Amino acid sequence: DAGVTQSPTHLIKTRGQQVTLRCSPKSGHDTVSWYQQALGQGPQFIFQYYEEEERQRGNFPDRFSGHQYPNYSSELNVNALLLGDSALYLCASSLAGQPQHFGDGTRLSIL
Amino acid sequence: AQTVTQSQPEMSVQEAETVTLSCTYDTSENNYYLFWYKQPPSRQMILVIRQEAYKQQNATENRFSVNFQKAAKSFSLKISDSQLGDTAMYFCAFMNRSGSARQLTFGSGTQLTVLP
Repeated sequence: DAGVTQSPTHLIKTRGQQVTLRCSPKSGHDTVSWYQQALGQGPQFIFQYYEEEERQRGNFPDRFSGHQYPNYSSELNVNALLLGDSALYLCASSLAGQPQHFGDGTRLSIL
Repeated sequence: AQTVTQSQPEMSVQEAETVTLSCTYDTSENNYYLFWYKQPPSRQMILVIRQEAYKQQNATENRFSVNFQKAAKSFSLKISDSQLGDTAMYFCAFMNRSGSARQLTFGSGTQLTVLP
């Protein structure tokens, strides 16, 4: 039973570029949440998707957008990248309020 | 809005000894979950233990147990018989059970090092 899988593992971009991160939830899970974890800090909630709709959003600008597909997989898109967007991006999946299961994350570095 | 505070940035413990990590939180909600997650250098966030706020009994999972003090809004993690593999960053997290969304609010973490 595959857990949460994220791709790519690492990514290097330059300022102003756009990036797409991908997440496949754990089998049977229907809800996907995205978190940003800056170095040495706790994860910060970006948004959550359920039934292909953004259900809740944290305090992140509109440059951060997402999508959920009918198979429950999800994408996180970030436009006009800034140096401060360098972080570990974590995807978590869950079902009906049960604990969230996390993937290994995507390390995004902005040069 | 909820806040979670971990006041111990770093801690160390000798192998086989017991260590307690502290966490306090602030919320106006009455129905919620509290969690401890472990994040080793491999980066994956691993669920260690969960506590439901309406349950008075403290949760236990093998060598891990919590001391949940709802009135004081305190949620500490005790690790018994510490092992080298317990070395990791530990995060305390809050999740509201009411409403439709289930976002986690994390503390800033405690880096635990188990010494041989």
